[in-house]
Amino acid sequence: EAQVTQNPRYLITVTGKKLTVTCSQNMNHEYMSWYRQDPGLGLRQIYYSMNVEVTDKGDVPEGYKVSRKEKRNFPLILESPSPNQTSLYFCASSFGSYYGYTFGSGTRLTVV
Amino acid sequence: QKEVEQDPGPLSVPEGAIVSLNCTYSNSAFQYFMWYRQYSRKGPELLMYTYSSGNKEDGRFTAQVDKSSKYISLFIRDSQPSDSATYLCAMARDNYGQNFVFGPGTRLSVLP
Repeated sequence: EAQVTQNPRYLITVTGKKLTVTCSQNMNHEYMSWYRQDPGLGLRQIYYSMNVEVTDKGDVPEGYKVSRKEKRNFPLILESPSPNQTSLYFCASSFGSYYGYTFGSGTRLTVV
Repeated sequence: QKEVEQDPGPLSVPEGAIVSLNCTYSNSAFQYFMWYRQYSRKGPELLMYTYSSGNKEDGRFTAQVDKSSKYISLFIRDSQPSDSATYLCAMARDNYGQNFVFGPGTRLSVLP
């Protein structure tokens, strides 16, 4: 089944403890992206990648890191999480221009 | 002024009604226009994708883009209870269609 897989689905962590949210797609998509979704603010793009080793900042990149060493994987790294990063995170992938994104099921992160 | 504005709703309609969902935007450089549907506790799924001004139809769904007015619409004909979801508009700032900005979403309830 064609899909974007994120792990974990739920995560509670403490301020400052480094964490990684993994994202993998099995559709051989060129483009991948990370979003966070907050009530009243909608989906906001954190980072996106148009190819291996090519990443660009979205609208809210502060406090996040990404890497694209393989085509299928695009992990999101929070080096020192803070409570304002409590949110619902979505990874997404796309075949390319003129195509929309396929989204994962989401990761609900709580930072206390 | 926000780049993309969307009435958050909630919007409640009876089954069979025609639903009109709308977004306005401020950036005349936006090129790709999409509508996503998001069910509770799920990731968004792509419904419609348009590039130019005009109408695009897919089954019960029609997407309309008016670039001169910076206004896009999604019409749902013969609405069903299964259409109850949050509808998100999205627009690409870049030529590759990857740097997206989303509206906050409109929550729709179709009552049987």
